[in-house]
Amino acid sequence: AQTVTQSQPEMSVQEAETVTLSCTYDTSESDYYLFWYKQPPSRQMILVIRQEAYKQQNATENRFSVNFQKAAKSFSLKISDSQLGDAAMYFCAIVEGGGADGLTFGKGTHLIIQP
Amino acid sequence: DSGVTQTPKHLITATGQRVTLRCSPRSGDLSVYWYQQSLDQGLQFLIQYYNGEERAKGNILERFSAQQFPDLHSELNLSSLELGDSALYFCASSVYGTEIYEQYFGPGTRLTVT
Repeated sequence: AQTVTQSQPEMSVQEAETVTLSCTYDTSESDYYLFWYKQPPSRQMILVIRQEAYKQQNATENRFSVNFQKAAKSFSLKISDSQLGDAAMYFCAIVEGGGADGLTFGKGTHLIIQP
Repeated sequence: DSGVTQTPKHLITATGQRVTLRCSPRSGDLSVYWYQQSLDQGLQFLIQYYNGEERAKGNILERFSAQQFPDLHSELNLSSLELGDSALYFCASSVYGTEIYEQYFGPGTRLTVT
């Protein structure tokens, strides 16, 4: 069974600065997908970024990018030019290939943006 | 707005009761997933349906059951409710059968058991 570990319960960053959220995972499969989800105070789960394990190139979505280190089973999220609206819980998640399973989530990192 | 709808938004009920949570997936999505988010357990996958059939089971209790109907909406039934069942229940949908495994979440149903 896959596991996801987020070792930072809380992170704080100044507005306009860059912050990196850590995530490590474990899986016995070679085919899997990794995700970062954002959960603001509204509790809505919002997909931030996706990474396919077979792709070597790191995914980027505007100010959000990942550092995917497959051998180390590490999948960190970098947020550039942090904005007040980025304040939220961030969850790292994995699903193994085949799609016939749910996401396995980490416990989350609470990101605070200091104005 | 993800396109996934869930009703009701809030539900307050007593221990021992039974409730039904409803989910409508995004247009075109055949797969529906149910998740539970609680302070104790975090976000946990409960069950997945694809085009009306159960596809995968996670940490779903025997007191809980789900189904997906021909119009693809899904219902999660929770019975013999206990205080510990108080949680936020999410439904998510995805386009199953392609390499895109992104799941889009509904706004959730907050269940309070008193």
